[in-house]
Amino acid sequence: DTAVSQTPKYLVTQMGNDKSIKCEQNLGHDTMYWYKQDSKKFLKIMFSYNNKELIINETVPNRFSPKSPDKAHLNLHINSLELGDSAVYFCASSRTASPLHFGNGTRLTVT
Amino acid sequence: EDKVVQSPLSLVVHEGDTVTLNCSYEVTNFRSLLWYKQEKKAPTFLFMLTSSGIEKKSGRLSSILDKKELFSILNITATQTGDSAIYLCAVEQGGSEKLVFGKGTKLTVNP
Repeated sequence: DTAVSQTPKYLVTQMGNDKSIKCEQNLGHDTMYWYKQDSKKFLKIMFSYNNKELIINETVPNRFSPKSPDKAHLNLHINSLELGDSAVYFCASSRTASPLHFGNGTRLTVT
Repeated sequence: EDKVVQSPLSLVVHEGDTVTLNCSYEVTNFRSLLWYKQEKKAPTFLFMLTSSGIEKKSGRLSSILDKKELFSILNITATQTGDSAIYLCAVEQGGSEKLVFGKGTKLTVNP
């Protein structure tokens, strides 16, 4: 199946831990993104990479570090997790000037 | 500050009703406006609008953009329970590959 796939689907962890979310797309897109959706369903961009290069870095704590080993992968590592990091994190990809294709999301719960 | 405002925030209708969802925007360097439908998981793409006054249609759904008044509407005719979802409006900014999302309209269609 052609898709944007991210793992894990659910992540429950304690404050202070470090965790990673992985994302892969097999659509041949050049650009990949991480979006955060809060409890009120508001989607906000965090990062964007084009061909492994960071092109958008919104005001996100530096505890969040994206890594793109190649243009088909964009992983998100989060250090020292806080309660406010609880949200659904969506990976997405696109070609230039084309709609985003989203992954199914990772629901992160920090306790 | 760039913003996308959707109204209403929520809407409850009966099957067979027609609904109109609104999206207004104030975004620098507008490139396109997109509509997404989000059920339980990933937002799925509905329409991409770049030109004023040209209606895009897909089955019972249609959308149009007014670049002079800076808004778009999404119409759904003869609604079905399967149309229940959050409808997200997003505006793409030229040159940045960035989508600015509205807070969504939660549509509930009752049988």
